[in-house]
Amino acid sequence: QKEVEQNSGPLSVPEGAIASLNCTYSDRGSQSFFWYRQYSGKSPELIMSIYSNGDKEDGRFTAQLNKASQYVSLLIRDSQPSDSATYLCAVNRPAGSTLTFGKGTMLLVSP
Amino acid sequence: DTGVSQDPRHKITKRGQNVTFRCDPISEHNRLYWYRQTLGQGPEFLTYFQNEAQLEKSRLLSDRFSAERPKGSFSTLEIQRTEQGDSAMYLCASSLALAGETQYFGPGTRLLVL
Repeated sequence: QKEVEQNSGPLSVPEGAIASLNCTYSDRGSQSFFWYRQYSGKSPELIMSIYSNGDKEDGRFTAQLNKASQYVSLLIRDSQPSDSATYLCAVNRPAGSTLTFGKGTMLLVSP
Repeated sequence: DTGVSQDPRHKITKRGQNVTFRCDPISEHNRLYWYRQTLGQGPEFLTYFQNEAQLEKSRLLSDRFSAERPKGSFSTLEIQRTEQGDSAMYLCASSLALAGETQYFGPGTRLLVL
């Protein structure tokens, strides 16, 4: 079983729509959860972090965490073509401080 | 720009050569991480330092790889006797050693081994 799983996509949404990106993780002891955005050929850029069950909102982005279901999601409201990128879910391993990443979901927002 | 810098940004080398990459973290960050990313994959952890101490190394880090952070500031990652399978983006990240710490990535060094 992979430690962090994401649908590779691409997820295609029209401009202005809500994009929903999902991630599951295998280690129940995981404590910190992160979403990074990565444009082609660039390095990961932090979008959101979440540590507690529930929702966390920051502008057009909402991260959702459900530890019982081992599930993290990222909602992007009013999607823009500039949001087109690969979104990486990362989980902090409980025994240390390093991150385990999923393979990422490619999001395509069409004008 | 996160404040983490890496040098060089691109490196092309021939198989069997040695290469060295440098990372300068955000100045107040005491933790520094190296990751490797290949096409279509997420970053994979290689090793990390807290100050000058190397606290963890991944099984991915073969004996051809060595990393240092001699004064707890910048770090170097050396690959000896490069192989074509070493071709990847090498990413450096830094953080403060706090609960729930956030890692900020540099621009990466893209290595191509011919």
